[in-house]
Amino acid sequence: SQTIHQWPATLVQPVGSPLSLECTVEGTSNPNLYWYRQAAGRGLQLLFYSVGIGQISSEVPQNLSASRPQDRQFILSSKKLLLSDSGFYLCACKGQGSSYEQYFGPGTRLTVT
Amino acid sequence: ILNVEQSPQSLHVQEGDSTNFTCSFPSSNFYALHWYRWETAKSPEALFVMTLNGDEKKKGRISATLNTKEGYSYLYIKGSQPEDSATYLCALHNYGQNFVFGPGTRLSVLP
Repeated sequence: SQTIHQWPATLVQPVGSPLSLECTVEGTSNPNLYWYRQAAGRGLQLLFYSVGIGQISSEVPQNLSASRPQDRQFILSSKKLLLSDSGFYLCACKGQGSSYEQYFGPGTRLTVT
Repeated sequence: ILNVEQSPQSLHVQEGDSTNFTCSFPSSNFYALHWYRWETAKSPEALFVMTLNGDEKKKGRISATLNTKEGYSYLYIKGSQPEDSATYLCALHNYGQNFVFGPGTRLSVLP
């Protein structure tokens, strides 16, 4: 079964600083990868997803970006953080095909001050 | 844009009660429907994936059904326990490989 690693677990960053969150997956190949965010008091929002290396689809326009440099590596970045970027960021992985479950990583709690 | 709704928003039940909640959606044009259990400060835990009209899945005391013709899925919990307290999320997996999540149903099971 797959294992999803995310780091760091928690992060406090000042407004205007850059961001890089990394997600790596073990135990599967050619997965679909996803970045989600839960802002305070809100539901789970899909930010980006990727069906292969270098293929990124953005769901919400914002100052974040994502990259997939390797099959099992997914990176979420920002050049300048905003206060509204605070939240709980989750990376998820899913096998190809409709019947596969989506598994989530442990998450990163980001606080922008 | 596909809109996924869940009801009720929150629910309080006594230990031992059975309960159910609803996920509704306007279209049957999706790849699969997923249910998750989500505890605060943890990552969502996959419960079920359903793809076909009439699908029924069961895991212990929890089961789910899917009716794509009428646009809903039910999640049932039999004999609720305090450890069942969590937010239950429904999500549609679209053909474009993205997911649309509902707002969730927050369940509290009182001992």
